[in-house]
Formats: sequence, C-alpha cells, structure tokens
Amino acid sequence: EAGVTQSPRYAVLQEGQAVSFWCDPISGHDTLYWYQQPRDQGPQLLVYFRDEAVIDNSQLPSDRFSAVRPKGTNSTLKIQSAKQGDTATYLCASSGGAGQLYFGEGSKLTVL
Amino acid sequence: GDSVIQMQGQVTLSENDFLFINCTYSTTGYPTLFWYVQYSGEGPQLLLQVTTANNKGSSRGFEATYDKGTTSFHLQKTSVQEIDSAVYYCAMREGTNAYKVIFGKGTHLHVLP
Repeated sequence: EAGVTQSPRYAVLQEGQAVSFWCDPISGHDTLYWYQQPRDQGPQLLVYFRDEAVIDNSQLPSDRFSAVRPKGTNSTLKIQSAKQGDTATYLCASSGGAGQLYFGEGSKLTVL
Repeated sequence: GDSVIQMQGQVTLSENDFLFINCTYSTTGYPTLFWYVQYSGEGPQLLLQVTTANNKGSSRGFEATYDKGTTSFHLQKTSVQEIDSAVYYCAMREGTNAYKVIFGKGTHLHVLP
C-alpha cells in the first residue's frame, strides 16, 4: 500500500514569493492534517480536514496561509508572500477516522 | 487549553542504559495517547498508542503506561541501542475532539556505542 506522498521535497524562496505544497494521502483515509515543524521543534497543527470539509483551521498562522482539499482526497497548502519565519518542514498526515496518523516525508521550506 | 508537555529536550545515554522520557498532558475527557519516533529526513512514525481501555502499550522493547491520576504517559526502555537514536514525540488525540492530534516538543535521544 502506498504511503502519504508529498511534493516538492524542498523549496527555497525569497521573501515575498509564494509556494504550494501538495499531499496525496493514503487511499481511503478520510482525515488529512497539515503540520508545520520548525527546525528542532515538534509538529504544530495548522489545519485538518474530514473529507473535503475543513474541521479546524484556527491555527493557520495568518491569511497568508490557505489549505484546500476539494474532492476529499489530495490537498494543497499554499503560502502567499512567504516570510523568513515560515522556514520549516511542512508535514502532511492522514488517518482513517480516529486511528493513528501516517505522515509523509515532509516538504522542507527555506525562505531567504 | 489542551497541551502535551515534554520537558527533556535532549537525552544522551550509552548502549544498554535504561531510558525514561517524561510526558504529561492536559485535556478534558479521555484522550488517546501516542509516542511517535522521527528519524532524520523522515516524517514521524507511530511507536505505540494507548487508550483508556488498555492503559499500557509496548512496541520494539519500548513501553508506556497511561496514568490518568498524574496525567502522565512516560516512555521507557530497559536497554537502549544505538539504533534507537532519534527524536521521540509524545502526542495526544484529544478527548473531546477525536480528530485533533497535538504533539509535544520532542526529546532527542542520542545513544553512544
């Protein structure tokens, strides 16, 4: 069974540029999560979906961040006008209902 | 609010030493508790999980017990090996919102040969 797939693995931006991260969860998993993991810190929850519905996006840092999951399968996390403070690894995870989370390898963002 | 606290940022041991990593949590209801392990360049992966129904979990020689009285969920291993070197995260699926999963800050374990 394929795991959670994320792309790109790495992105390097200048401040003010935009970037999108894509996530393909495990087939059949209804719940999808995006976490931000700054260097040497734990994953911090940004947003999560059940099917196509946003359950909680209150932890998205600002209106520069947005996330969608239009068909309840793949998801995109977008950062508009990136700042140096956005430098982190962005992790996607999926789960079937209230089961364990399965993580992708992450997308490592560096904002210069 | 809900939280997961890991006070130990880094632990350094020698092979065959005893491992103890502290974790405490705060929430209402009955959470599910997890330990995840993260190796360099990878996403976290589940090590073990415990619910109020079973109180104790174990995997690959690691063990954790859910103590509702002290709201603790410490991770232990009798004899660590160099391959156990990684970052360990305590995590909680909240009792009142089963879809929300939050993580502690992590404990970086270095095991010296």
